Amino acid sequence: DQQVKQNSPSLSVQEGRISILNCDYTNSMFDYFLWYKKYPAEGPTFLISISSIKDKNEDGRFTVFLNKSAKHLSLHIVPSQPGDSAVYFCAASYTGNQFYFGTGTSLTVIP
Amino acid sequence: SQTIHQWPATLVQPVGSPLSLECTVEGTSNPNLYWYRQAAGRGLQLLFYSVGIGQISSEVPQNLSASRPQDRQFILSSKKLLLSDSGFYLCAYGQSNYGYTFGSGTRLTVV
Repeated sequence: DQQVKQNSPSLSVQEGRISILNCDYTNSMFDYFLWYKKYPAEGPTFLISISSIKDKNEDGRFTVFLNKSAKHLSLHIVPSQPGDSAVYFCAASYTGNQFYFGTGTSLTVIP
Repeated sequence: SQTIHQWPATLVQPVGSPLSLECTVEGTSNPNLYWYRQAAGRGLQLLFYSVGIGQISSEVPQNLSASRPQDRQFILSSKKLLLSDSGFYLCAYGQSNYGYTFGSGTRLTVV
């Protein structure tokens, strides 16, 4: 049972434009969410997080939005750069430890 | 500082051969440790997690096993590899505020 879903397996964006990656979840008890970035043949690295008491968290070019009523979160990257090309995973937790991951979205930023 | 080491980086093994992947963590005590497998279209699949020495929980039935002989050592094993065991294996340890820190991964190809 996939509790965290990323319905877009891939996304292509022109350099300088906005990239929007989406994630949906089914478990209303999730209270902490993260985004990871993964390059080929490397482990995922933490990118940005948000707790359920917030609806937005911003860190430089990266902003995560959380819509609890819709059980939806999104990652915005503005402006997109070629180095942002990677696979992005969203993850959710309600225990503070065990996280459930989405299937990933492969982002390609076209120069 | 906390670091995680995982080896080997790549491995090619014949069907029916044994497997041993090792993961060690430095700079932290009694970490929660995890083994994930990344498969195309399935994202990061949790295989095993451990909250302490000798304590292993399995998330999915499979041809693999895990052991934690020491506090900061986590081993993924198989007695006889199957073709379907091919994939990218990731070790991680848990940090409650920042999710997981992942190792660099092992690309296993069973031939």
